[in-house]
Amino acid sequence: AQTVTQSQPEMSVQEAETVTLSCTYDTSESDYYLFWYKQPPSRQMILVIRQEAYKQQNATENRFSVNFQKAAKSFSLKISDSQLGDAAMYFCAYRRAQGGSEKLVFGKGTKLTVNP
Amino acid sequence: KAGVTQTPRYLIKTRGQQVTLSCSPISGHRSVSWYQQTPGQGLQFLFEYFSETQRNKGNFPGRFSGRQFSNSRSEMNVSTLELGDSALYLCASKSLGLVTEAFFGQGTRLTVV
Repeated sequence: AQTVTQSQPEMSVQEAETVTLSCTYDTSESDYYLFWYKQPPSRQMILVIRQEAYKQQNATENRFSVNFQKAAKSFSLKISDSQLGDAAMYFCAYRRAQGGSEKLVFGKGTKLTVNP
Repeated sequence: KAGVTQTPRYLIKTRGQQVTLSCSPISGHRSVSWYQQTPGQGLQFLFEYFSETQRNKGNFPGRFSGRQFSNSRSEMNVSTLELGDSALYLCASKSLGLVTEAFFGQGTRLTVV
């Protein structure tokens, strides 16, 4: 079974600074998708960024980028120029590419605080 | 385009009762998944429906069940509620395609007393 581990229950960053959230996963499959979701106090999960395992290039979405190390099974999220609105729970998630399942396996999350 | 709508937003039930939660996916999305979120266990997959068929099921007791209608709307039911069923229940919908993302609703907060 696949597992996702987020080793940092809480992180804090100063506004305008950069922060990196860690995620490792375990799988025996070679093709899969990785995601970072953000959950603000409103509770709605919002996709931040997505990475296809077959792509060697790290995904980037504006201030958000990932460092995907497939051999190490590591998938960290870097937030640049942090803003107050980035404060939220961040969840790393895994999804198989085969098998016709949309099941997401989530890590336990990292609570990010942004200090003004 | 309307997002994923979950009703009700909040619910308080008594132990032993049953409850039904509803999820209306984004128009055109045929896959609906349900997750339970608790402080202790985090986000856990309950089940997934696609075209009215359960395609995948998580490791939950049989008290948890679901269904999907022809219009893709989905319901989940929990019978004989226990205190430990108190949680945020999230629904996610997705269109066809491997690379597309799942969109989540705001969840139903269930409290069992």
